[in-house]
Amino acid sequence: EAQVTQNPRYLITVTGKKLTVTCSQNMNHEYMSWYRQDPGLGLRQIYYSMNVEVTDKGDVPEGYKVSRKEKRNFPLILESPSPNQTSLYFCASSPGTPSYNEQFFGPGTRLTVL
Amino acid sequence: AQKITQTQPGMFVQEKEAVTLDCTYDTSDPSYGLFWYKQPSSGEMIFLIYQGSYDQQNATEGRYSLNFQKARKSANLVISASQLGDSAMYFCAMREPLIYNQGGKLIFGQGTELSVKP
Repeated sequence: EAQVTQNPRYLITVTGKKLTVTCSQNMNHEYMSWYRQDPGLGLRQIYYSMNVEVTDKGDVPEGYKVSRKEKRNFPLILESPSPNQTSLYFCASSPGTPSYNEQFFGPGTRLTVL
Repeated sequence: AQKITQTQPGMFVQEKEAVTLDCTYDTSDPSYGLFWYKQPSSGEMIFLIYQGSYDQQNATEGRYSLNFQKARKSANLVISASQLGDSAMYFCAMREPLIYNQGGKLIFGQGTELSVKP
């Protein structure tokens, strides 16, 4: 089954404790992205990757890091989480061909930073 | 800059009636894609329908149809015969052209919360 998986689905942590949210897709997609969702703001892109070893900042990258060592995986790293990073996070992937209509989302990760 | 606007924070509809959720967009690029997603209380993003800027026909998927008015830059979602399970948050989104090299970023509106009353 074609899918994007994220782990963990729920996480409560404390300020400053490094964490990683994993994302994996099994569709051989080139493009992968991370979004965060906050009430009244919709979803905003944090980082994206156009292929292995190619990553770039989205609209709200401060406080986050990513890596793309393998095509299928795109982990989101919070080196020193702060309460303003409490949010719902989505990983997404899409193929590299110029087809606009394919965008797959993971199930989301609810992060709370105390 | 590209922008999506959803002006209805919340909507109510009676079960079995049709409802229209509004979405307007702003872009200067002639090539783009428009999406609608449903987000139930469980949180996942469920793809509903897609409309390409060059598509001649309005998109339809079962009970969902997209009223695409290009000149007015609107892409309203119409849900026919509402069901209780349609109660959720609905997001309109636009995908930028891939030439902008942003991984096909989706730009989202603020969402409309739909409540279906029995």
